[in-house]
Amino acid sequence: GDQVEQSPSALSLHEGTGSALRCNFTTTMRAVQWFRKNSRGSLINLFYLASGTKENGRLKSAFDSKERYSTLHIRDAQLEDSGTYFCAAEASSGSWQLIFGSGTQLTVMP
Amino acid sequence: DPKIIQKPKYLVAVTGSEKILICEQYLGHNAMYWYRQSAKKPLEFMFSYSYQKLMDNQTASSRFQPQSSKKNHLDLQITALKPDDSATYFCASSPQGAETLYFGSGTRLTVL
Repeated sequence: GDQVEQSPSALSLHEGTGSALRCNFTTTMRAVQWFRKNSRGSLINLFYLASGTKENGRLKSAFDSKERYSTLHIRDAQLEDSGTYFCAAEASSGSWQLIFGSGTQLTVMP
Repeated sequence: DPKIIQKPKYLVAVTGSEKILICEQYLGHNAMYWYRQSAKKPLEFMFSYSYQKLMDNQTASSRFQPQSSKKNHLDLQITALKPDDSATYFCASSPQGAETLYFGSGTRLTVL
């Protein structure tokens, strides 16, 4: 089965509000990365976490390897935050392979 | 300026033909990767390279062959193309392995 389950698949927010995206893992993962797909189709790296939390501007991410989940919190959402967000996890097997979630399509409305 | 260049951006091929997808990175990274995203599926890992050596191969078919002529190049040769090969192919790189990944904008391949 899927090793990375990302939710929600779609999310609508009004400007200025916030919410959280979540990825659950079916096995223990070593690290997680979060990406946003930009208008040119490139995946832009937002965070790399091996544990704990990181914050960058209005984004904050957490990763709990033991509890097998990661979250991405967006606060004070802006129109330019709209896009598709992906989590991707490194399995603990030592491979450099990232296992991707299916993505969350975020729409920020005026 | 994009630091990972993938060419072409769009590619149409006929079944049974052969194509090469180009990837060059100007980030000075030592590890490079190929991922594939088929319609309605998550990105899937294909290959990882470090210092021009194959590290991991999760592609079942030998029709997919990475080629690294220089440290900052990792092209992908696909032979005997099938319609199921239609997907967007993403190249990525990282300073070493298992670190922050940087992606190119992809090559969208359609096999008719």
